[in-house]
Amino acid sequence: AQKVTQAQTEISVVEKEDVTLDCVYETRDTTYYLFWYKQPPSGELVFLIRRNSFDEQNEISGRYSWNFQKSTSSFNFTITASQVVDSAVYFCALSEAFTGNQFYFGTGTSLTVIP
Amino acid sequence: SQTIHQWPATLVQPVGSPLSLECTVEGTSNPNLYWYRQAAGRGLQLLFYSVGIGQISSEVPQNLSASRPQDRQFILSSKKLLLSDSGFYLCAWSGGQSSNQPQHFGDGTRLSIL
Repeated sequence: AQKVTQAQTEISVVEKEDVTLDCVYETRDTTYYLFWYKQPPSGELVFLIRRNSFDEQNEISGRYSWNFQKSTSSFNFTITASQVVDSAVYFCALSEAFTGNQFYFGTGTSLTVIP
Repeated sequence: SQTIHQWPATLVQPVGSPLSLECTVEGTSNPNLYWYRQAAGRGLQLLFYSVGIGQISSEVPQNLSASRPQDRQFILSSKKLLLSDSGFYLCAWSGGQSSNQPQHFGDGTRLSIL
């Protein structure tokens, strides 16, 4: 079973629009960690944020914000006032304290920001 | 600060030829090291990970192997490449043994098999 689901395969928005990327996860572990990565066209994966299962406080970093809701097993990512440079594939990932070193990545959401 | 180097950036190889991709990490000791493959678009498939020198865990049975001859060096190899080995290969490292550490990725190697 897929541990991390990113149902949105591709999203296109016009510049300056807000966009939310969805991430739903599945785990039986009570201690786990959630991550978001950005993969621009150049290919490297860039770490954006980590959130642990005991901290449901939402986080904002500039135009980026993350909404973690354990009740719905979701960790959604919102970009406010999108820019062309935000165009990339975004991955959500889960790691569990029980399984330690392994990350479970979602299949990614390709975001295109149209100027 | 920690850096990860992965090379070559691109590689074109004929079917049946050998492969060696190298990854090194600087600025940290005893990292966890990972090899991923990203094929046909986006999905990341974990191939191997290592928690120490000589310790390799394989996630997917395949035509590839990995070795960790030194603490901060991780090598992905194949004796005979298949067409299905084409893809984008990413090396990553994370600090410590805890699952809360983010993985940090290299720039990747685009491998094309002819």
